[in-house]
Amino acid sequence: LAKTTQPISMDSYEGQEVNITCSHNNIATNDYITWYQQFPSQGPRFIIQGYKTKVTNEVASLFIPADRKSSTLSLPRVSLSDTAVYYCLAPSVGYSTLTFGKGTMLLVSP
Amino acid sequence: DAGVIQSPRHEVTEMGQEVTLRCKPISGHDYLFWYRQTMMRGLELLIYFNNNVPIDDSGMPEDRFSAKMPNASFSTLKIQPSEPRDSAVYFCASSLRIQGAGNTIYFGEGSWLTVV
Repeated sequence: LAKTTQPISMDSYEGQEVNITCSHNNIATNDYITWYQQFPSQGPRFIIQGYKTKVTNEVASLFIPADRKSSTLSLPRVSLSDTAVYYCLAPSVGYSTLTFGKGTMLLVSP
Repeated sequence: DAGVIQSPRHEVTEMGQEVTLRCKPISGHDYLFWYRQTMMRGLELLIYFNNNVPIDDSGMPEDRFSAKMPNASFSTLKIQPSEPRDSAVYFCASSLRIQGAGNTIYFGEGSWLTVV
């Protein structure tokens, strides 16, 4: 059963850049990698999605190497409000459902 | 669009009672998901529907749980009888597609269930 692997937790300080890497060795050939953010007492919400190379939006950047077996979410200059759980989703070969792993708990301190 | 709408937001019930959670997906979305979140197990997919048809219910914990989607704009998750270990946040979510670009899942605010 293929799955994604990401660090359980990360700590950072305000103003720093944070990079969270996710491993997805068995990603389906034609599928996209999607990252979600979840604040306490809320449902997860979409941050960014990509297929290969680099994608950037107003919130984050997503770096995907050529083999697509991993991806890195980059949050520039984090603030306290970026404290949340971050999930990486990468549909696996043979799986049509989207399963969330445990995510990465990012704690941003002053 | 108002997003995915769930009700109730909070429910406290006694063990053995029936619990019904309701969901209205985003209009036009073909997929509807029910997730459960607990500290111990994280975010688990219970069941999902495509065009109102249940596709994968392998995540439903046991026969006490059932889900229906009678039409494109409404779904229910029922627990009968409820047990304390069912206490969790239940999220309903919807999406246009589950593969390819634009397979974003949109979540509701969740139904916080406490079974005492």
